[in-house]
Amino acid sequence: QSVLTQPPSASGTPGQRVTISCSGSSSNIGSNYVYWYQQLPGTAPKLLIYRNNQRPSGVPDRFSGSKSGTSASLAISGLRSEDEADYYCAAWDDSLSNWVFGGGTKLTVL
Amino acid sequence: EVQLVESGGGLVQPGRSLRLSCAASGFTFDDYAMHWVRQAPGKGLEWVSGISWNSGSIGYADSVKGRFTISRDNAKNSLYLQMNSLRAEDTALYYCAKGSRGYYDSSGYLDYWGQGTLVTVSS
Repeated sequence: QSVLTQPPSASGTPGQRVTISCSGSSSNIGSNYVYWYQQLPGTAPKLLIYRNNQRPSGVPDRFSGSKSGTSASLAISGLRSEDEADYYCAAWDDSLSNWVFGGGTKLTVL
Repeated sequence: EVQLVESGGGLVQPGRSLRLSCAASGFTFDDYAMHWVRQAPGKGLEWVSGISWNSGSIGYADSVKGRFTISRDNAKNSLYLQMNSLRAEDTALYYCAKGSRGYYDSSGYLDYWGQGTLVTVSS
């Protein structure tokens, strides 16, 4: 059971906009930044969003992040086939003194 | 270019030990915290341990506390994970990840990841 809660799956057609949610608590998302990672099949995770809504250089602006209270969301607009991957949210947890992750959301592009 | 190359994984019997290594290049290793994160087959990511730039601050997940020891050698640009008393539930792909700042806590984050080394605990 992951500390952060994500839907196990999401899907969309090319060109659509999809959102992936991440729910936590006051000790993690509620008091710290949220990060998002993309894991393409058979590869290592890659940082997609840092500090709630910042994109590392090279990440397309089709990807955006937001946070409100103890929840966060990743939005992907103009969906493309190469976006098919697992997406994980992460945050520091003050109570555990640990980094915690969501269980991951498998995005399928139909 | 940041490169992180893990090694040392393999098949090990329950109760035995294994030492993982991570060779880092492409950045000033002794300026940054480092982490180990694992992923069991078909499962999600689990943070295992983190270490500050100077080894002065170290943290572990409860699931490995007392059994695993993280360390680093800044002269060799290397990160290590000594894993003792291994259990079947430790079977996973172990990733080495670079911190974005000197401490492994909320002051930074995990910004680059290696490709992982597979640890299988089975008799």
